[in-house]
Amino acid sequence: ETGVTQTPRHLVMGMTNKKSLKCEQHLGHNAMYWYKQSAKKPLELMFVYSLEERVENNSVPSRFSPECPNSSHLFLHLHTLQPEDSALYLCASSQDGTSTGYTFGSGTRLTVV
Amino acid sequence: QKEVEQDPGPLSVPEGAIVSLNCTYSNSAFQYFMWYRQYSRKGPELLMYTYSSGNKEDGRFTAQVDKSSKYISLFIRDSQPSDSATYLCAILSSGAGSYQLTFGKGTKLSVIP
Repeated sequence: ETGVTQTPRHLVMGMTNKKSLKCEQHLGHNAMYWYKQSAKKPLELMFVYSLEERVENNSVPSRFSPECPNSSHLFLHLHTLQPEDSALYLCASSQDGTSTGYTFGSGTRLTVV
Repeated sequence: QKEVEQDPGPLSVPEGAIVSLNCTYSNSAFQYFMWYRQYSRKGPELLMYTYSSGNKEDGRFTAQVDKSSKYISLFIRDSQPSDSATYLCAILSSGAGSYQLTFGKGTKLSVIP
């Protein structure tokens, strides 16, 4: 496996469910990110982990809970979501301190019913 | 004022046309300027990046930055149907212990055969 892998690709969950999104990077990067992509809106940064420590939380609701157990893995735990949380959730990684940008996964398409 | 402004389109052009995609930004501290391409059901992939005013060319693609006007452009020559995708401008800046990307909304491009 190469690059950034996200699972599952699609997820439908009820508002009372608990689920987790998984991201794994095989690039040796030291920073990982969660982004939310909604229709007609810019990509919204949710969480940043650098060297496995969270350095940014852009006022994301507590129903989203990230976890970064090591530099290769990132999770986003979801509970009691709202229909407006339906979106494409993208994981990305980068080698912090470089200018070459991020490598993105293909995303998880989340639908909250 | 939003940090990065990008016309979401959609933009439809005939095959072989020259395409011009543009963004404006408001923060003078922005350091690196990038263009990402996102195909349907995929994550964004880095297309080009530059850090100085002027032009950077890569095959049929030219990235242009005008820091005095806070304006960035991507030109696609001899456009092909395979160029049909959403193009996102992104600007990299440092802060809060890491580099962070700020995205435009993306412009959806269709190249008609």
